[in-house]
Amino acid sequence: DAGVIQSPRHEVTEMGQEVTLRCKPISGHDYLFWYRQTMMRGLELLIYFNNNVPIDDSGMPEDRFSAKMPNASFSTLKIQPSEPRDSAVYFCASSLVGNPYGYTFGSGTRLTVV
Amino acid sequence: RKEVEQDPGPFNVPEGATVAFNCTYSNSASQSFFWYRQDCRKEPKLLMSVYSSGNEDGRFTAQLNRASQYISLLIRDSKLSDSATYLCVVNSELPGGGTSYGKLTFGQGTILTVHP
Repeated sequence: DAGVIQSPRHEVTEMGQEVTLRCKPISGHDYLFWYRQTMMRGLELLIYFNNNVPIDDSGMPEDRFSAKMPNASFSTLKIQPSEPRDSAVYFCASSLVGNPYGYTFGSGTRLTVV
Repeated sequence: RKEVEQDPGPFNVPEGATVAFNCTYSNSASQSFFWYRQDCRKEPKLLMSVYSSGNEDGRFTAQLNRASQYISLLIRDSKLSDSATYLCVVNSELPGGGTSYGKLTFGQGTILTVHP
């Protein structure tokens, strides 16, 4: 089992540019989550999907953020345009309903917007 | 008020010490509770679940008090390798009243450093 795979591991971009973060969940998992982690705010849930359908996007900070899950094996989180305050580690996680031990995080994408 | 609040820490203890972390949660409808561990520049990983009856895993003991909405983690005989950030995590009931382990809310985390 390859686990949750995120790419890229690191991203440095200039303010105003579009950034796309990618996630491949564990095969068979029916929930996918996007979290953001900063020193000031800790881990914040941005959005989550169940069976590829967005369920709750109330954590998405602004319209500049959007997320999609076109199929069960792929999700993207896009920031357009990016701003320095978006700098953070973005984690993707997946889980299987009814099994808390199936809540697995990817290694994260460390985003720096300069 | 934050949904999940933890001891601010940091905790700096010698090897062999016993250390306890506390956490409170605000949503009385919360279904399940966990402690996660996060090493520096790594992803969070499940340490253990927390049950009302209390549960133990080696040197680690977790307790839940639903009436007080309070969760604790006790680490005995601390090792250098226990140095990490410990995250208190609460599962929220999903919209519509369904029960699932779908959405987890994380506390800010407590940093533990165990020194020789």
